[in-house]
Amino acid sequence: GQNIDQPTEMTATEGAIVQINCTYQTSGFNGLFWYQQHAGEAPTFLSYNVLDGLEEKGRFSSFLSRSKGYSYLLLKELQMKDSASYLCAVRDPGSGSSNTGKLIFGQGTTLQVKP
Amino acid sequence: DTEVTQTPKHLVMGMTNKKSLKCEQHMGHRAMYWYKQKAKKPPELMFVYSYEKLSINESVPSRFSPECPNSSLLNLHLHALQPEDSALYLCASSPSPPSGFYNEQFFGPGTRLTVL
Repeated sequence: GQNIDQPTEMTATEGAIVQINCTYQTSGFNGLFWYQQHAGEAPTFLSYNVLDGLEEKGRFSSFLSRSKGYSYLLLKELQMKDSASYLCAVRDPGSGSSNTGKLIFGQGTTLQVKP
Repeated sequence: DTEVTQTPKHLVMGMTNKKSLKCEQHMGHRAMYWYKQKAKKPPELMFVYSYEKLSINESVPSRFSPECPNSSLLNLHLHALQPEDSALYLCASSPSPPSGFYNEQFFGPGTRLTVL
């Protein structure tokens, strides 16, 4: 089966650092994405990991361990505008001739940043 | 042009109406997607088009009918919908077919659909 777990909600203080964890158990793996989604808006791409290790992009970093089925998104120097839902998504390459590469989303983590 | 556009932004329709949602991208992307998203839930994949051919239909009811007239356009035709179909409908595109090595999906702003 396909299972992606994230905490439902997190709260952090402006200026602080927060880590959002994601664990996955999927039949296939061809990369892990993190998206940010503000209420009522479309998801926007944050990061992509396909190899083990840390990818850094400004205030945001993402880590992947394929052997542990684990990823995290690290947000530094939190700002009020970072209050949003953060979606972890695994790309399943599919099987046989289908090779669909569809994204399987976790339920999302709602982050609230407080002053 | 680095965005996916969707029209209309909001749509209210009755259960007997026929309407269409439109999606457009001019980034040269070869894969396009329809997702349905209910409040406080993640997007659920509905359809995938790869090189203008339907490659995935996630067992979506036939009252939803996708169409890809060309590589830049994606439509979703709606007919005889139910109130539970009310949701945000998101279109996305990606540079290469879904199984490509690096394949970020770019999402449009969505159409907020209400079925009365």
